[in-house]
Amino acid sequence: RKEVEQDPGPFNVPEGATVAFNCTYSNSASQSFFWYRQDCRKEPKLLMSVYSSGNEDGRFTAQLNRASQYISLLIRDSKLSDSATYLCVVNRRGYSTLTFGKGTMLLVSP
Amino acid sequence: NAGVTQTPKFQVLKTGQSMTLQCAQDMNHNSMYWYRQDPGMGLRLIYYSASEGTTDKGEVPNGYNVSRLNKREFSLRLESAAPSQTSVYFCASSEGGGGGYGYTFGSGTRLTVV
Repeated sequence: RKEVEQDPGPFNVPEGATVAFNCTYSNSASQSFFWYRQDCRKEPKLLMSVYSSGNEDGRFTAQLNRASQYISLLIRDSKLSDSATYLCVVNRRGYSTLTFGKGTMLLVSP
Repeated sequence: NAGVTQTPKFQVLKTGQSMTLQCAQDMNHNSMYWYRQDPGMGLRLIYYSASEGTTDKGEVPNGYNVSRLNKREFSLRLESAAPSQTSVYFCASSEGGGGGYGYTFGSGTRLTVV
């Protein structure tokens, strides 16, 4: 089983829609979690960290379920500019590196 | 506010040629990383340097060497390029060990080996 797994998509949604991505991780020792966004032919950029209590940043909400070992990202009121690949990222306790999922592609259409 | 700077942005090599990819960060970060990204494979760690003076292998180190020249700079060398090393290479840096801080990435080097 891969350490971080995501549905590759693409998710095709109209503007204004709500869309949710899930990500599962295999190592229960994982301690830090992030969502990154990567635009086509660009570098990944940190979208938000994911905290145990869940956290929100504008239209974006991230949730962590440690018992089931999954992370989610909810995007409300989708914009054309949200079209990108969303990478789920985890860090294992005691390790100094991050492990990236392969990403979920989102396409928002007019 | 440059962040992480990678050079070159594009490169074409012939099989067997060597080259060095340069990376520099101006955020006083302790840790630096080299990843490669291939279609369908996601980001894979090649080498990393948790702090100045240390380097460690990642998931796919074969065919590469690295040098942490100082706190700012971390270079990646291909001694004898192979077509399998055609990829997009990203350098990243992190304030700490990456665990709680996340990474800042450079804009990438697109390398083609023919």
